[in-house]
Amino acid sequence: AQTVTQSQPEMSVQEAETVTLSCTYDTSENNYYLFWYKQPPSRQMILVIRQEAYKQQNATENRFSVNFQKAAKSFSLKISDSQLGDTAMYFCAFMSVTGTASKLTFGTGTRLQVTL
Amino acid sequence: DAGVTQSPTHLIKTRGQQVTLRCSPKSGHDTVSWYQQALGQGPQFIFQYYEEEERQRGNFPDRFSGHQFPNYSSELNVNALLLGDSALYLCASGRRRAGQGHFGPGTRLTVT
Repeated sequence: AQTVTQSQPEMSVQEAETVTLSCTYDTSENNYYLFWYKQPPSRQMILVIRQEAYKQQNATENRFSVNFQKAAKSFSLKISDSQLGDTAMYFCAFMSVTGTASKLTFGTGTRLQVTL
Repeated sequence: DAGVTQSPTHLIKTRGQQVTLRCSPKSGHDTVSWYQQALGQGPQFIFQYYEEEERQRGNFPDRFSGHQFPNYSSELNVNALLLGDSALYLCASGRRRAGQGHFGPGTRLTVT
């Protein structure tokens, strides 16, 4: 079974600064996807960034980028130029694809607070 | 282009009752998955539907059942509600084997 670990329950960053959220996972599979989701107080789960395991290049979406280390099973999220609207819970998730099914396994989340 | 929609937004039920939650996937998506998110925790996978069949199931009892309709929309049914079933229920849609990047706003279920 896959497991996803987020070792930082809470983090705080000042506006315009950079912050990195950590995530490690455990799997014996070679083909999988990794995700970072943002969940603001409104509870809507929003996809931030996605990484395919077979791609060596790290994914980037505007101010969000990842550091994907496949051998170390590490998948950290870097948020540059933090904004107040980035305040939310951030979940790291692993997705395996077997046959016709795919399921997401989530970590326990990191609560990020962006301050003035 | 409408995203994933869920209904109702909030629901209050009494222990022992039954509940049905509904989900319409994003246009072009054919796979629907359901997740339970207890307060302060990450979502837990309940099951996934594709081609009107349950394709994979998480560690949830048979009280949790579902259905997918020909238009790809889906229902989650929970029988004999327990206090511990109180949670946010999330629906996610995607295309077969292509991931589930799109979540609905969720249904908040409270069991009293």
